[in-house]
Amino acid sequence: AQRVTQPEKLLSVFKGAPVELKCNYSYSGSPELFWYVQYSRQRLQLLLRHISRESIKGFTADLNKGETSFHLKKPFAQEEDSAMYYCALSRDYGQNFVFGPGTRLSVLP
Amino acid sequence: ETGVTQSPTHLIKTRGQQVTLRCSSQSGHNTVSWYQQALGQGPQFIFQYYREEENGRGNFPPRFSGLQFPNYSSELNVNALELDDSALYLCASSHARSYNYGYTFGSGTRLTVV
Repeated sequence: AQRVTQPEKLLSVFKGAPVELKCNYSYSGSPELFWYVQYSRQRLQLLLRHISRESIKGFTADLNKGETSFHLKKPFAQEEDSAMYYCALSRDYGQNFVFGPGTRLSVLP
Repeated sequence: ETGVTQSPTHLIKTRGQQVTLRCSSQSGHNTVSWYQQALGQGPQFIFQYYREEENGRGNFPPRFSGLQFPNYSSELNVNALELDDSALYLCASSHARSYNYGYTFGSGTRLTVV
């Protein structure tokens, strides 16, 4: 069965510190991994996709098939990064996601 | 370009009743998916509609049903409501040919079952 885990419910870091949000998955097929973000009072939105190998708002994520992980990283956290972050696995070309439980990132001044 | 709109924003129903939630997809999108998000959890996939037919379903009982209309808008119907159905219901639209671009989500409908 497909499953996504995010071990930290809450992660607090100081502004300027590196941040890593952990995501592990279990999936028998070839995974397509995504990170979604929800800022306060806003709707859930796509942050980045593993397939595009892009960096968005300074965030990157590398798919590690050996460790079945897709951790989200940023070298210098900003206060505006404070939000809820969800790791998600797609079973069908970017459709029908399995979401993790989410990690709330709090960047302290 | 309009985004995904959902109605109503909030709803209170009594156990055993039926409810219909509505979603208008983003312009140019032909696929609509529905998710249930319980408090403190990530969204859970209910089902997806493409070309007015169900095109994938999560682990939800048959009392959760849906429709998609020719204009790609969609409805989620839940019969025989239970207390555990209380959650935020999210609609998301996408284009079937835009693989790996993810979804555009609506703001959700908050359903409370008492």
